[in-house]
Amino acid sequence: EVQLVESGGGLVQPGGSLRLSCAASGFTFSGSNMNWVRQAPGKRLEWVSYISSSASTIYYADSVKGRFTVSRDDAKNSLYLQMNSLTAEDTAVYYCARDHGRDGYTYWYFDLWGRGTLVTVSS
Amino acid sequence: EIVLTQSPGTLSLSPGERATLSCRASQSVSSTYLAWYQQKPGQAPRLLISGVSSRATGIPDRFSGSGSGTDFTLTISRLEPEDFAVYYCQQYGSSPLAFGGGTKVEIK
Repeated sequence: EVQLVESGGGLVQPGGSLRLSCAASGFTFSGSNMNWVRQAPGKRLEWVSYISSSASTIYYADSVKGRFTVSRDDAKNSLYLQMNSLTAEDTAVYYCARDHGRDGYTYWYFDLWGRGTLVTVSS
Repeated sequence: EIVLTQSPGTLSLSPGERATLSCRASQSVSSTYLAWYQQKPGQAPRLLISGVSSRATGIPDRFSGSGSGTDFTLTISRLEPEDFAVYYCQQYGSSPLAFGGGTKVEIK
């Protein structure tokens, strides 16, 4: 089955860290450009980060730049998001999402999403 | 930065009725870089439409997209029970990517 499954969310104190994982199956993960998208309670979806299939190109939203790090392990068909210096504004459901593009081309819309993992930043 | 405004916030309709959802951009969306997604509670978002009007793989033809510039529409010609969900538009023609606030289509 073609799917993405996020994990690693939970409750963390302000200033803390958390590492999210996204396990891919049913498709060629190594050829896929991947993203993290989040949705805070009552807010709209917000794109967070992008990593190309080769991991040579990485982008971040201004709101997380310098605090979040995206990475991938193609041998494990997995995408990661290391989140440091977390604040209440980072509270959200985090989704991993596959870009429609393949083999080096990026479309910037998402044809496969996971169900998300909830991150709550609170003392 | 483009801001997308979706209306109405909630659409109350009966199965078999036609649904018309609006997505308005604060400035012109580059080319045809507008997508629509469907999300049901507890489920992953699903791509419906890209390039304003191209249905994604497996999306039934009762879903159609149209528009240009700043005004875009998602139309569901005859609502099926499984279509009651939240719908989001997204522009991907300029940075930063932007999503609309969503329209909830609920059963009347």
